[in-house]
Amino acid sequence: DAGVTQSPTHLIKTRGQQVTLRCSPKSGHDTVSWYQQALGQGPQFIFQYYEEEERQRGNFPDRFSGHQFPNYSSELNVNALLLGDSALYLCASSLVGPYEQYFGPGTRLTVT
Amino acid sequence: AQSVTQLGSHVSVSEGALVLLRCNYSSSVPPYLFWYVQYPNQGLQLLLKYTSAATLVKGINGFEAEFKKSETSFHLTKPSAHMSDAAEYFCAVSVAAEGAQKLVFGQGTRLTINP
Repeated sequence: DAGVTQSPTHLIKTRGQQVTLRCSPKSGHDTVSWYQQALGQGPQFIFQYYEEEERQRGNFPDRFSGHQFPNYSSELNVNALLLGDSALYLCASSLVGPYEQYFGPGTRLTVT
Repeated sequence: AQSVTQLGSHVSVSEGALVLLRCNYSSSVPPYLFWYVQYPNQGLQLLLKYTSAATLVKGINGFEAEFKKSETSFHLTKPSAHMSDAAEYFCAVSVAAEGAQKLVFGQGTRLTINP
């Protein structure tokens, strides 16, 4: 079992650019959640996808958007990047419901 | 709103000593609680979970946590610290809304092990 995988591992972008991060869930999982973890902070919930729809959204602007594909994999898109978007972006997969979430290794985004 | 508070952003213990990391939760409904560990430059790994089946929960790597409703606590313990336990530890509560479940994390506790 490969577990949750994310790509790329690291990314450097310039302010104003757009970025796409990718996530493949753990085998058998149908729900994908995205979190942002700033340096020295706990992860903050961005949104969750189930059945290819955004089910819940955290306190993040519309510059953050996502997508879930029929094979349950997911993308996180961030437009008009700001310096404050620099963080570790974590993808987590689970079954739908109050179950444990399994995290990928994350994508480290640096905005300069 | 459901939330967790981790007391102590940094805990330092000697190798072989007891590890105690504190977590208090706020919830109006029976909570689902989790402890995760994060090693440098890595994602989060699930240590253990509480889902109301038993108040004392055993996890991986010798860790366990006890759910105490009267104290709204879910503290993480390990009888004897090992150097490999040095990491960041996060307590989290599962929050339901709009047909989905999200994890709300505490600020984390950095555990240092002294030789």
